[in-house]
Amino acid sequence: DGGITQSPKYLFRKEGQNVTLSCEQNLNHDAMYWYRQDPGQGLRLIYYSQIVNDFQKGDIAEGYSVSREKKESFPLTVTSAQKNPTAFYLCASSINGPTAKNIQYFGAGTRLSVL
Amino acid sequence: KQEVTQIPAALSVPEGENLVLNCSFTDSAIYNLQWFRQDPGKGLTSLLLIQSSQREQTSGRLNASLDKSSGRSTLYIAASQPGDSATYLCAVRFYKAAGNKLTFGGGTRVLVKP
Repeated sequence: DGGITQSPKYLFRKEGQNVTLSCEQNLNHDAMYWYRQDPGQGLRLIYYSQIVNDFQKGDIAEGYSVSREKKESFPLTVTSAQKNPTAFYLCASSINGPTAKNIQYFGAGTRLSVL
Repeated sequence: KQEVTQIPAALSVPEGENLVLNCSFTDSAIYNLQWFRQDPGKGLTSLLLIQSSQREQTSGRLNASLDKSSGRSTLYIAASQPGDSATYLCAVRFYKAAGNKLTFGGGTRVLVKP
């Protein structure tokens, strides 16, 4: 099955704890993205990566970190510096390049809550 | 500032009625506009992508139009069914956006009553 796999589906964080959300894709896409969705709102971009070993901050990167050591994987760490981490996190991937046909494909999401 | 807006935030219609969902954006310099469906607690499913050179796209009961000059897109769903109940999100890729960033509207939550 081709697609994007996010794990875990649900995650709980204690105060002061760092947690890591996994995102794996087997679509051979160069670009990967992390979005945050708060209840009743659209998605906001946290980080994105257009190529292995390179990534850029999105609109709300503070309190988050990422790595891109492999083309297939783009894990997101929610650090203790993120004071309001409760949200739904979505990972996406796409081919690279600013073409008009470029579609982003999304995973099923991880719901993060604070204990 | 490049923004995307969806009004209304929620919509309820009886089964069989046609659905009309609106999306507006502040900058006409776009690569494309994408409509997504999101079921509660789930990820996003791409419904239609309209390239900047296109006026509309159709898939089954879905039809999306694009008017760049007025900064608007409309998603039409014909003969709505209870299974169409979901949140519909509009996302735009602007020319000036870094990377392949999508800018999302807040979504319209649709309820189709049997």
